[in-house]
Amino acid sequence: GDSVTQMEGPVTLSEEAFLTINCTYTATGYPSLFWYVQYPGEGLQLLLKATKADDKGSNKGFEATYRKETTSFHLEKGSVQVSDSAVYFCALSHSGGYNKLIFGAGTRLAVHP
Amino acid sequence: SQTIHQWPATLVQPVGSPLSLECTVEGTSNPNLYWYRQAAGRGLQLLFYSVGIGQISSEVPQNLSASRPQDRQFILSSKKLLLSDSGFYLCAWSVRGVQFFGPGTRLTVL
Repeated sequence: GDSVTQMEGPVTLSEEAFLTINCTYTATGYPSLFWYVQYPGEGLQLLLKATKADDKGSNKGFEATYRKETTSFHLEKGSVQVSDSAVYFCALSHSGGYNKLIFGAGTRLAVHP
Repeated sequence: SQTIHQWPATLVQPVGSPLSLECTVEGTSNPNLYWYRQAAGRGLQLLFYSVGIGQISSEVPQNLSASRPQDRQFILSSKKLLLSDSGFYLCAWSVRGVQFFGPGTRLTVL
C-alpha cells in the first residue's frame, strides 16, 4: 500500500541555518503531496502542496519539489527562525474518492537563538 | 471563508465513561469530513471519514464510533473509554483534494 517515510527527528538548528527535512513516498499512480506543520498544542496547518511531477510548492520561505524519479518531496528553508520550531508532517493523497491522506511519522524541528 | 470548530479543547475522563467529541464546519456545504487520532509523539491515524449525512466509513476497528447527524456536524463517540483511547483528536474537512484541520481535542483517559 501507499506509504510516506520521513527523516527521524528531532532536528536541532541554530537560527538562520539551512533546513532540509527528507520525505520519500511509495504510491501507485500520481499522488498529490503535502507538507503540514503542527505548532505545540495546535492542530495541523497546510504549509504547501504539489499536485504533479516537477511542481514546486512554496510558502513562508519553505519550498518542496515533487520529484517523481526519486519519489521524494523534501522540505527546505534557507534561513530558519525560532518561530519555525514545530512538528512537520509529509503526506500524500490520491484525487477522487474521499482523498485519504497518508501521513509520515512527523519530524520535530527545534530552532535555537 | 471556511472555519472548523472542535470542542471541548481538553478532556479528562475515567476509564469506562462515555465520550462525545463534536466538530462543526462553517462556510461550506456537503464537505468530506474526517476524524484522526494522534497518539503522543506519533503520526496521525485516520479513524473515520464521511462523504455525507449519515454516511460513515471506518478505517480501523476500535472502541470508537462516529456519526454525522447534519451536513456540517461530525461527532466522535464511545460508550466506554479505554486507557488506549488517550490522544489528540483532530477533525478535518476537505475541498478540491486538500484537507484542513481543526484545533483538536486532547483526551486523557485515567
